[in-house]
Amino acid sequence: AQTVTQSQPEMSVQEAETVTLSCTYDTSESNYYLFWYKQPPSRQMILVIRQEAYKQQNATENRFSVNFQKAAKSFSLKISDSQLGDTAMYFCAFCLTSGTYKYIFGTGTRLKVLA
Amino acid sequence: DTGVSQDPRHKITKRGQNVTFRCDPISEHNRLYWYRQTLGQGPEFLTYFQNEAQLEKSRLLSDRFSAERPKGSFSTLEIQRTEQGDSAMYLCASSSHGSGNTIYFGEGSWLTVV
Repeated sequence: AQTVTQSQPEMSVQEAETVTLSCTYDTSESNYYLFWYKQPPSRQMILVIRQEAYKQQNATENRFSVNFQKAAKSFSLKISDSQLGDTAMYFCAFCLTSGTYKYIFGTGTRLKVLA
Repeated sequence: DTGVSQDPRHKITKRGQNVTFRCDPISEHNRLYWYRQTLGQGPEFLTYFQNEAQLEKSRLLSDRFSAERPKGSFSTLEIQRTEQGDSAMYLCASSSHGSGNTIYFGEGSWLTVV
């Protein structure tokens, strides 16, 4: 069975600074997707960034980038130039590329950006 | 495209009553998911449809829970004989191969059982 672990329940960062959120996962499969989702206080989950496991290049999306270490089963999210609007819960998620397409989520990291 | 929509957004019900939630996925998405989320926790998988077929159901889902997607479009999640432990946010999401298997969430339906 696949599991996703986020070991940082809460983090804070000063506006304009950089913060890294950690995620580890466990699977015996080799083909899968990894995602970071953001859930602001308004509660709707929004996709931040995704990574296909077969790609060695780390995904980037504007101020958001990931450090994907497949052998270590690690998938961290780096937020550069943090903004007040980045304040939210961040969830790491895993999904296989075949068979069942269900997503497995971590327990989340609550990020607060301080002015 | 208006995204994934869920109805009702909030529901307060008395213990023992039945409730039903509806989800309308993004129109071209053939996969539909239901998740449950409690405060401070990540979403927990409940069930998954591909078109009208329910392909997987979590062991978390007791026999009081049932979900349908009769024509492969909208879906309903019914909870019978609600219990206080059912109080949570019920999230619907959809995806397709064309979306790169990325799932898109609705705003959720809050259930409070009193």
